[in-house]
Amino acid sequence: DSGVTQTPKHLITATGQRVTLRCSPRSGDLSVYWYQQSLDQGLQFLIQYYNGEERAKGNILERFSAQQFPDLHSELNLSSLELGDSALYFCASSAWDINTGELFFGEGSRLTVL
Amino acid sequence: SQKIEQNSEALNIQEGKTATLTCNYTNYSPAYLQWYRQDPGRGPVFLLLIRENEKEKRKERLKVTFDTTLKQSLFHITASQPADSATYLCALDGGGTGANNLFFGTGTRLTVIP
Repeated sequence: DSGVTQTPKHLITATGQRVTLRCSPRSGDLSVYWYQQSLDQGLQFLIQYYNGEERAKGNILERFSAQQFPDLHSELNLSSLELGDSALYFCASSAWDINTGELFFGEGSRLTVL
Repeated sequence: SQKIEQNSEALNIQEGKTATLTCNYTNYSPAYLQWYRQDPGRGPVFLLLIRENEKEKRKERLKVTFDTTLKQSLFHITASQPADSATYLCALDGGGTGANNLFFGTGTRLTVIP
């Protein structure tokens, strides 16, 4: 158990809809990272937050947004969903802003867009 | 363009043998490189981290080498067991790119045959 909690574990929705994925980092970790994993793309970095502030942005679509709340949990919002958004979405946390150590990953949220 | 390539999508070896996985990268100057294990439908789990000034790191049956001249890391599992069957991901920091996160390879799926 990594200590990172993600909900929901599975989500099935239709194209055009909006969903919110939630992540609670390990106790004491200030950084939260979101990754998308699809079969043909591997793990793709989306966005990082540190102590409530956005720190780094990767290949995140404009239809996607995220935030980190004062209690350090984070939410990833996916809107105007398309079939190609079907993937596993992972949240990871680490203690530091500059990532010089390991990431602790949650078990992921599997999103299926029909 | 930047690339992280892992030697093959799948590797089958006999139990008891040594598995060697390769990670090559281009257009990165990482300060460190990490290896993760991922089981189907689960989040990646950290195994080892090696820094640019370290040639080799060991942990139990695992050994990692890091050659910044060749831009390559080798990951060895000695005395392999069926329980070692999983996908192994290499990841490196965005050193030199200004990015503040880990970039992952697509992984090598290892199967250890009893």
